[in-house]
Amino acid sequence: DAGVIQSPRHEVTEMGQEVTLRCKPISGHNSLFWYRQTMMRGLELLIYFNNNVPIDDSGMPEDRFSAKMPNASFSTLKIQPSEPRDSAVYFCASSLMGGRETQYFGPGTRLLVL
Amino acid sequence: AQRVTQPEKLLSVFKGAPVELKCNYSYSGSPELFWYVQYSRQRLQLLLRHISRESIKGFTADLNKGETSFHLKKPFAQEEDSAMYYCALRNTDKLIFGTGTRLQVFP
Repeated sequence: DAGVIQSPRHEVTEMGQEVTLRCKPISGHNSLFWYRQTMMRGLELLIYFNNNVPIDDSGMPEDRFSAKMPNASFSTLKIQPSEPRDSAVYFCASSLMGGRETQYFGPGTRLLVL
Repeated sequence: AQRVTQPEKLLSVFKGAPVELKCNYSYSGSPELFWYVQYSRQRLQLLLRHISRESIKGFTADLNKGETSFHLKKPFAQEEDSAMYYCALRNTDKLIFGTGTRLQVFP
């Protein structure tokens, strides 16, 4: 298994543009998490899904951020419109059994908004 | 409120020196704590969890409920231990991470 797959690995965009980050969890995992990593705030949970259903999106910064999980093997995190303060590394992680098992992280997407 | 505090952003030691990465938590229930590690150009991965009472790569961490701490320790640091270390607290299905400590081990 290739583990959690994220694309793109790097994204550079201009302020105001739409950004879509993609994640493929480990096959068989039923929980998926989106995190944002910054120097100042460390690793913050944005949203997580159990069985494709969003359970807690309290970490989503504002309405510009949205996440979907249309099926068990794919999730997207969208930022529209993007702003320079959104620049960060975005990680996706997956786990078994609603997150009570070990979370396995993807390689991350490094986003730079100019 | 549930919170994880890692007071040191950077910890630098020489090879062979003891290491202690500090982690304090705030949690109203019975805590479940973890250490995750991110080596350069690698994915964030679980290092150890307190319920396992294990030693991984020479690291140990003991949960001290009285001091609400879960410090990560290693008696003799190695250069390959250089990485970013995150302490995390489980809150239902979520993990709450600290801001991380970068450990630099010099030769």
